[in-house]
Amino acid sequence: DAGVTQSPTHLIKTRGQQVTLRCSPKSGHDTVSWYQQALGQGPQFIFQYYEEEERQRGNFPDRFSGHQFPNYSSELNVNALLLGDSALYLCASSLGPPGAYTQYFGPGTRLTVL
Amino acid sequence: GQQVMQIPQYQHVQEGEDFTTYCNSSTTLSNIQWYKQRPGGHPVFLIQLVKSGEVKKQKRLTFQFGEAKKNSSLHITATQTTDVGTYFCAGNSGGSNYKLTFGKGTLLTVNP
Repeated sequence: DAGVTQSPTHLIKTRGQQVTLRCSPKSGHDTVSWYQQALGQGPQFIFQYYEEEERQRGNFPDRFSGHQFPNYSSELNVNALLLGDSALYLCASSLGPPGAYTQYFGPGTRLTVL
Repeated sequence: GQQVMQIPQYQHVQEGEDFTTYCNSSTTLSNIQWYKQRPGGHPVFLIQLVKSGEVKKQKRLTFQFGEAKKNSSLHITATQTTDVGTYFCAGNSGGSNYKLTFGKGTLLTVNP
């Protein structure tokens, strides 16, 4: 039973570019949440997808957008990259809202913006 | 918005000593979860507390949820080098709020 997978593992981009990160949830999970973790900080909630719709969003600008596919996999898109977007991007899946259900994190994508 | 604060930020102990990290929320929580992140790794779920005053144990780890459901603690007895990592609490206020708000974490290092 595969856990949460994310791709790519590492990514280097320059300011102004756009990036797409991908996540496959744990088998049987229908909810995907995305987090940004800066160095030395806790994960910050970006948004959560359920039934292919954004169910809740954190305090992130519209440059951050996402999508969930019928197979529950998800993408995180970031436009017009800024230096401050450099971070570890974590995907987490759960069977239902993570506030009520155990949430499993993927290994993350390390994004560096130069 | 909801804020979750953790102290201390860092804790260095000798192997065999005890360790405690504390978590405080600015709002009443529906539940609180604890995660461990090893250096270079990703957060791994440890436990969820739901009831006021709840205490749960996992071997050498003891988790408590305050009576007011606004604070929590994690205590490790007789630390081992395998306990090294950052411990995060994450709170959920329930209702139509589906997200988890993480604290900044406590980095535990253990000297063998």
